[in-house]
Amino acid sequence: SAVISQKPSRDICQRGTSLTIQCQVDSQVTMMFWYRQQPGQSLTLIATANQGSEATYESGFVIDKFPISRPNLTFSTLTVSNMSPEDSSIYLCSAIRGTSGGYNEQFFGPGTRLTVL
Amino acid sequence: AQSVTQLGSHVSVSEGALVLLRCNYSSSVPPYLFWYVQYPNQGLQLLLKYTSAATLVKGINGFEAEFKKSETSFHLTKPSAHMSDAAEYFCAVSDLGQGGKLIFGQGTELSVKP
Repeated sequence: SAVISQKPSRDICQRGTSLTIQCQVDSQVTMMFWYRQQPGQSLTLIATANQGSEATYESGFVIDKFPISRPNLTFSTLTVSNMSPEDSSIYLCSAIRGTSGGYNEQFFGPGTRLTVL
Repeated sequence: AQSVTQLGSHVSVSEGALVLLRCNYSSSVPPYLFWYVQYPNQGLQLLLKYTSAATLVKGINGFEAEFKKSETSFHLTKPSAHMSDAAEYFCAVSDLGQGGKLIFGQGTELSVKP
């Protein structure tokens, strides 16, 4: 298994500001992802964090709003930029260890609960 | 495109009763299917997975699910509910071509009454 930690666990921010969320995995992983869980809703994939290159964003999410870095095989950051109350959500990091061509379990961090006032 | 539909946003059962959480999927290729559980203020934990092996999959905490291709279903069951099973349950689908991306259903909140 993989143990994933996230910082901060929660935060309350003012609109117009930015917050960077850190995701640390206890061992090297092949893929890392960022998901958003809006209040009372399911998880939606924001992007795949690619090591050493630009993240791959899903439809409806853009780099200017959610810049992502992944400088190595165990760490990634997600920044929520120019926040508005609509960005209030839980942001979850996940990771897969293993190679493509077969099933590899996806592990999730505990999430970062963000409230924007 | 793949999708998942969970029937019932909220299910309530009595302690000791059968738990049945419904999940139907849509996929143009053989899918991988998952059930995750989320306890309050916690991340997601994998309950069980279907990866094209046995159609009846057993998971943790006494849960199991059966893959039925003809019905495009992957319903989650547990013979006897326990108070500690109260949580949010998510069904998810993926395939090799998606590079590990998961598509989640809307979730079902399970309540267990004493």
